[in-house]
Amino acid sequence: EVQLVETGGGLVQPGGSLRLSCAASGLTVSSNYMSWIRQAPGKGLEWVSVTYSGGSTSYADSVMGRFTISRHNSQNTLYLQMLSLRPEDTAVYYCARARDYFGSGSLSFDYWGQGTLVTVSS
Amino acid sequence: DIQMTQSPSSLSASVGDRVTITCRASQSITSYLNWYQQKSGKAPKLLIYAASSLQSGVPSRFSGSGSGTDFTLTITSLQPEDFATYYCQQSYNSPWTFGQGTKVEIK
Repeated sequence: EVQLVETGGGLVQPGGSLRLSCAASGLTVSSNYMSWIRQAPGKGLEWVSVTYSGGSTSYADSVMGRFTISRHNSQNTLYLQMLSLRPEDTAVYYCARARDYFGSGSLSFDYWGQGTLVTVSS
Repeated sequence: DIQMTQSPSSLSASVGDRVTITCRASQSITSYLNWYQQKSGKAPKLLIYAASSLQSGVPSRFSGSGSGTDFTLTITSLQPEDFATYYCQQSYNSPWTFGQGTKVEIK
């Protein structure tokens, strides 16, 4: 059974930083595409970042240059380092396995964690 | 970026009803369209991928159709556990964008 467990959320002041973790079991982070997706309170879903099994990464424009996605292969854990946080970054952050069903670069998100809440406020 | 627009934003339906939700893309995405269900306080769950393929374990009362820019999620015979918010997501190119959601409520 696949389980993804996010930790690291909390209250941080604007301009501050936070690192989220996503511990995986039942799948190997290093051999999968892994993504972060967020949801502001009462709002819809916003894709944030993806790391491909080959090591390349991609980001939404809204977080480019401030967030960094990475993996610790021996701990089977995905990370999201968030710098220069803004109030609009307030959201529940989910990690998810991104699956390319057709080998065409088309991503669907088939396993999700329970999410961790990040609140950016003074 | 590809914009995804769902309609309606919300709907009220009764158990046993047939429910249809529409998703429109701002440009052609061929069949690269996924549907998710999200219950209150929970993570989203993948229902349909590639416009019409049922994800493993999802009941057959859920179905998807469409191609190009217009897509539909249909729930035949709505069940109590189906009351939730549904999102479409384009998987044509990055950034992977979602619709704003359709909340299905109990009438």
